[in-house]
Amino acid sequence: DQQVKQNSPSLSVQEGRISILNCDYTNSMFDYFLWYKKYPAEGPTFLISISSIKDKNEDGRFTVFLNKSAKHLSLHIVPSQPGDSAVYFCAATYGGYQLTFGKGTKLSVIP
Amino acid sequence: DTGVSQDPRHKITKRGQNVTFRCDPISEHNRLYWYRQTLGQGPEFLTYFQNEAQLEKSRLLSDRFSAERPKGSFSTLEIQRTEQGDSAMYLCASSGTGGEKLFFGSGTQLSVL
Repeated sequence: DQQVKQNSPSLSVQEGRISILNCDYTNSMFDYFLWYKKYPAEGPTFLISISSIKDKNEDGRFTVFLNKSAKHLSLHIVPSQPGDSAVYFCAATYGGYQLTFGKGTKLSVIP
Repeated sequence: DTGVSQDPRHKITKRGQNVTFRCDPISEHNRLYWYRQTLGQGPEFLTYFQNEAQLEKSRLLSDRFSAERPKGSFSTLEIQRTEQGDSAMYLCASSGTGGEKLFFGSGTQLSVL
């Protein structure tokens, strides 16, 4: 039973354009959502998060949007850079300690 | 900020052997987590400590797995009688009290032959 789903295993984007990574969840108890970035042979690195009481959070080139009614969130990266090429994981939690992760989306930014 | 440190980075073992991994969290963090990640999957929660107390264990954590955090600082994860299905990346993470943002180490890649 996959509670956090990232339906696109991979995404290719031209440098300078927008990257949009999507995530759906099924558990309505989730109240906090996070995006992590992972390079090969390294642990995931925290990128950006959003509380369920908000619908948008922005940090530099990264913006996360939350649509609670659709149980959907997305990560926008503008402009995309080659160094953004990595696997991006969506994660969700309630109660504040156990994160449930999606399977990840591999982003390739083409110079 | 030294980050979360894990040792070893890689471990190759034969089926049936015991292995132990170590995690040193960020020093001011009182919460410590173990996750496991296999190829093509996201990290899966294994267990969680607040200080020295182990407060939650996933059903993924069979009786062959044991984790400790004896003084509320570093933690060890031991796998007894390893099986090929145990091959995975074992990730440790830490956070402060009330912090949903987990900071991960680089992981220990276990290969069971």
